[in-house]
Amino acid sequence: DADVTQTPRNRITKTGKRIMLECSQTKGHDRMYWYRQDPGLGLRLIYYSFDVKDINKGEISDGYSVSRQAQAKFSLSLESAIPNQTALYFCATSDYGGALTGELFFGEGSRLTVL
Amino acid sequence: AQSVTQPDIHITVSEGASLELRCNYSYGATPYLFWYVQSPGQGLQLLLKYFSGDTLVQGIKGFEAEFKRSQSSFNLRKPSVHWSDAAEYFCAVGAPLTGANNLFFGTGTRLTVIP
Repeated sequence: DADVTQTPRNRITKTGKRIMLECSQTKGHDRMYWYRQDPGLGLRLIYYSFDVKDINKGEISDGYSVSRQAQAKFSLSLESAIPNQTALYFCATSDYGGALTGELFFGEGSRLTVL
Repeated sequence: AQSVTQPDIHITVSEGASLELRCNYSYGATPYLFWYVQSPGQGLQLLLKYFSGDTLVQGIKGFEAEFKRSQSSFNLRKPSVHWSDAAEYFCAVGAPLTGANNLFFGTGTRLTVIP
């Protein structure tokens, strides 16, 4: 089984619908991240969390919210999806060193299409 | 603010040929530098990282990268490319002095390997 698991892997939805992408990890890491990948733009950070009580906005948090239900679970929500949120979404984890000094461990991605 | 530029969107090389992928960064001090690889349908995997010390770093799968402060570069190299190296490659920078807790990714270089 993968260390970082994302569900669903693919989702097609309509404008205005609420969508939740879920991430769970078995690495025992405290730090979890949500990134968005768009062609030609690379990866951009949406939100990150250093523990269950710590949530921080990233570069592009508008239109998104997150929930850290447990150390191992970090969910990303789109309250009212719009077409420009069509993208590939990645969850990642890291140890205490964080993204600066440590290694990010990525899930396999969730491809979201908003019609 | 820190940033990363990968000038080559797509590179095609023959199997067995050498490879160099370019990465330039912008940051006022010594950054933390990373190369990640994304195989089709997969999440990103760390190839190698540079924090300090020896400017030539070795990574997995036979890759290496050289930090050149004078050129603000961290180019990725491999002496002999294998067909399995076909993937997308991302350079990333961490900015330890800004207090930021995330990596900034380049836009990626897609590598095609021809027989």
